[in-house]
Amino acid sequence: GDSVTQMEGPVTLSEEAFLTINCTYTATGYPSLFWYVQYPGEGLQLLLKATKADDKGSNKGFEATYRKETTSFHLEKGSVQVSDSAVYFCALSDRNENSGYSTLTFGKGTMLLVSP
Amino acid sequence: DAGVIQSPRHEVTEMGQEVTLRCKPISGHNSLFWYRQTMMRGLELLIYFNNNVPIDDSGMPEDRFSAKMPNASFSTLKIQPSEPRDSAVYFCASSLEASSYNEQFFGPGTRLTVL
Repeated sequence: GDSVTQMEGPVTLSEEAFLTINCTYTATGYPSLFWYVQYPGEGLQLLLKATKADDKGSNKGFEATYRKETTSFHLEKGSVQVSDSAVYFCALSDRNENSGYSTLTFGKGTMLLVSP
Repeated sequence: DAGVIQSPRHEVTEMGQEVTLRCKPISGHNSLFWYRQTMMRGLELLIYFNNNVPIDDSGMPEDRFSAKMPNASFSTLKIQPSEPRDSAVYFCASSLEASSYNEQFFGPGTRLTVL
């Protein structure tokens, strides 16, 4: 079945440092890939997405490129801020052959802590 | 625009009691998803609906769990009887269609504690 593996946290960085959170996936079809962010006490929010190979999703200074050859979708940001402290989830959406509908498969999440 | 609305935000109950969690999806969205989040297991999809019809409930952990969607603007997740291991944060999410391209919008969650 489909699966998503992302690096374990917490990732601890100083403000303005470069961020990379690794994500790799296994899928039977042609999935779309997502990064969601969860701030303390809140639900998940979409951060960015990419729907086909070589697409780059970007939002709020975060970027991730859909790499089919390495089955990866690593999240990067050039200069993190304290306000970026949150849990980041990599996810894929793939069509279920039985139901015909698509659902999200999430990684376990990576906590990012940014200190001033 | 109002996002996905869940109630209650927090629920504390005793083992054996019935618990009902409620969700109002975003107006116009056809698909609704229930998730459970725990430290040990992460985010798990419990059940999802399309046009109010349950499509796949294979993620529901036991017969004690049931979900309904009587109309396009309301869904419930019920646990009867509840057990301490059901303690978790339960999220409801909705999307336009359960397609691989569509973003799911999440509610704020219900934090359930079963004593």
